[in-house]
Amino acid sequence: NAGVMQNPRHLVRRRGQEARLRCSPMKGHSHVYWYRQLPEEGLKFMVYLQKENIIDESGMPKERFSAEFPKEGPSILRIQQVVRGDSAAYFCASSPYSGSSYEQYFGPGTRLTVT
Amino acid sequence: DAKTTQPTSMDCAEGRAANLPCNHSTISGNEYVYWYRQIHSQGPQYIIHGLKNNETNEMASLIITEDRKSSTLILPHATLRDTAVYYCIVRVATGTASKLTFGTGTRLQVTL
Repeated sequence: NAGVMQNPRHLVRRRGQEARLRCSPMKGHSHVYWYRQLPEEGLKFMVYLQKENIIDESGMPKERFSAEFPKEGPSILRIQQVVRGDSAAYFCASSPYSGSSYEQYFGPGTRLTVT
Repeated sequence: DAKTTQPTSMDCAEGRAANLPCNHSTISGNEYVYWYRQIHSQGPQYIIHGLKNNETNEMASLIITEDRKSSTLILPHATLRDTAVYYCIVRVATGTASKLTFGTGTRLQVTL
């Protein structure tokens, strides 16, 4: 069973460009979570999605950031008009169910560098 | 979710048991204790979790005190590959409140 896949693993964008980060959950998992880790800091929750629904976006910046998890295909985290402060590692996790007795499995992350 | 307190760093000799403590004195009865680790800059790796009883799996053991205010993660025979940041997370057991709240964790250094 393949693990959580994220691509690209490394992404370089110039200020003002758009960044699209993709996450394919583990097979059979319909719950996806996105976390961000700034340099030398811990992971911070951004958004929690189920298929076609955003369940909790309490950690998402109010502007420029959006996320989706369509019926078919991977989950996408989209950052518009990137700024240097968006440089970070973005991790996706998935779980089979939403309850807290179910662990989340993390992908290898996408490292975004904004120049 | 309840706040957790962990030592900033710990050292352990290879082959010895690593005991990582976590304080969660404000934990509620319906909150799980989870442990994850992050090796270098990789994605966090799930280790173990428990509610009330002690738990053991192929990676580690989790000892939760009877009052549930603290717990200890035990790596029975630490190796160099166990060098990582270990996160203790308390997570409420409701359907939609499923996010993980990471603190600063304990940086475990395993040495020869």
